[in-house]
Amino acid sequence: SYELTQPPSVSVSPGQTASITCSGDKLGSKFASWYHQRPGQSPVLVIYQDNRRPSGIPERFSGSNSGNTATLTIRGTQTLDEADYYCQAWDSDTAHVVFGGGTKLTVL
Amino acid sequence: EVQLEESGGGLVQPGGSLRLSCAASGFPFSSYEMTWVRQGPGKGLEWISYISSGGDATYYADSVKGRFTISRDNAEKSLYLQMHSLRAEDTAVYYCARDFHAGAMYFDLWGRGTLVTVSS
Repeated sequence: SYELTQPPSVSVSPGQTASITCSGDKLGSKFASWYHQRPGQSPVLVIYQDNRRPSGIPERFSGSNSGNTATLTIRGTQTLDEADYYCQAWDSDTAHVVFGGGTKLTVL
Repeated sequence: EVQLEESGGGLVQPGGSLRLSCAASGFPFSSYEMTWVRQGPGKGLEWISYISSGGDATYYADSVKGRFTISRDNAEKSLYLQMHSLRAEDTAVYYCARDFHAGAMYFDLWGRGTLVTVSS
């Protein structure tokens, strides 16, 4: 089965740039999406089709996807960005939606 | 208001059954593909099942295939998840989510979730 791997945690200082990676076999040939989830809340889509932002998502969120790695980048990180972040892709070979294990972003 | 609202969760014994519902409002439900995602206590997101807008195509995660059935009633603007042979590892918050657009396979609208606890 297809797997996506994320680091369990990433720390960043307020105002700095946070990068969260997501690795999977030939992930660059698929579309990657990203969600954030604050404690006790539902997931929110922040990036789709590798680098597109849904309406209402700040411009400081961006994404890229190439080779085996997709990356979510948050510029000018704010304390309100502290959350769990999940990457996600569609594996057409198995007809399965796949989520990464999640990365806890700490802003301190 | 555009929203999804899950219901039907609760406490069930191992081996039991439960039917979850997801009520949609504020958008043309029949035009959207839908999915169920769950999250075990302290765990990450796990995709469970997908259904096409017309209900003619369904996909399942290996962990629930043969035990869970996804369905929808477009006239009632509702999505369902029938769960049988429940196990302790099925304990989770179950979310319904809307596909961003046809064939997108990423999800722009989520409900608040309903908690399913499988325990004796």
